[in-house]
Amino acid sequence: DQQVKQNSPSLSVQEGRISILNCDYTNSMFDYFLWYKKYPAEGPTFLISISSIKDKNEDGRFTVFLNKSAKHLSLHIVPSQPGDSAVYFCAASAGDDKIIFGKGTRLHILP
Amino acid sequence: DTGVSQDPRHKITKRGQNVTFRCDPISEHNRLYWYRQTLGQGPEFLTYFQNEAQLEKSRLLSDRFSAERPKGSFSTLEIQRTEQGDSAMYLCASRSDRGTYGYTFGSGTRLTVV
Repeated sequence: DQQVKQNSPSLSVQEGRISILNCDYTNSMFDYFLWYKKYPAEGPTFLISISSIKDKNEDGRFTVFLNKSAKHLSLHIVPSQPGDSAVYFCAASAGDDKIIFGKGTRLHILP
Repeated sequence: DTGVSQDPRHKITKRGQNVTFRCDPISEHNRLYWYRQTLGQGPEFLTYFQNEAQLEKSRLLSDRFSAERPKGSFSTLEIQRTEQGDSAMYLCASRSDRGTYGYTFGSGTRLTVV
């Protein structure tokens, strides 16, 4: 039972353009959402998060949007840079200190 | 801050053997988590500790798996009688009660059971 779904296994975006990564969730008890970035042979790195009481959180080039009614969140990266090529994991927590991850989306930034 | 350290980075073992992995969290982090990641999947929760107390175990953690965190510092994850299905990346993460919600992950231990 996949509670956090990332339906796009991969995404290719031209350098300088906007990258939009999408995520859907099924558990209405989730109240905190996170995005992680992972390079090969490294552990995931925390990128940005959002509480369910907000609908937007911004940190530099990264913005996360949350639509609770649709149980959907997205990560926007603008402008996209070559170093952004990685696997991005959407994750969520129901306040029990356990984070549930999606399967990830591999982002390729094209020159 | 040296980050979360995991040892070994790679382990190849024969089916039926026991293996033990170690995780050293960031020193001021009192919460420690173990996850497992297989190819094409996201990290899957296995278990977590608050200080030395193991607070939750996933049903993924069969009775062949045991985790400890003596004295609330480093942690070990042992797998007994390994099976080929245990081949995966085992990730350790930690965080502080007073810090942000996001975990800090180590680089993982890649286990291959042959």
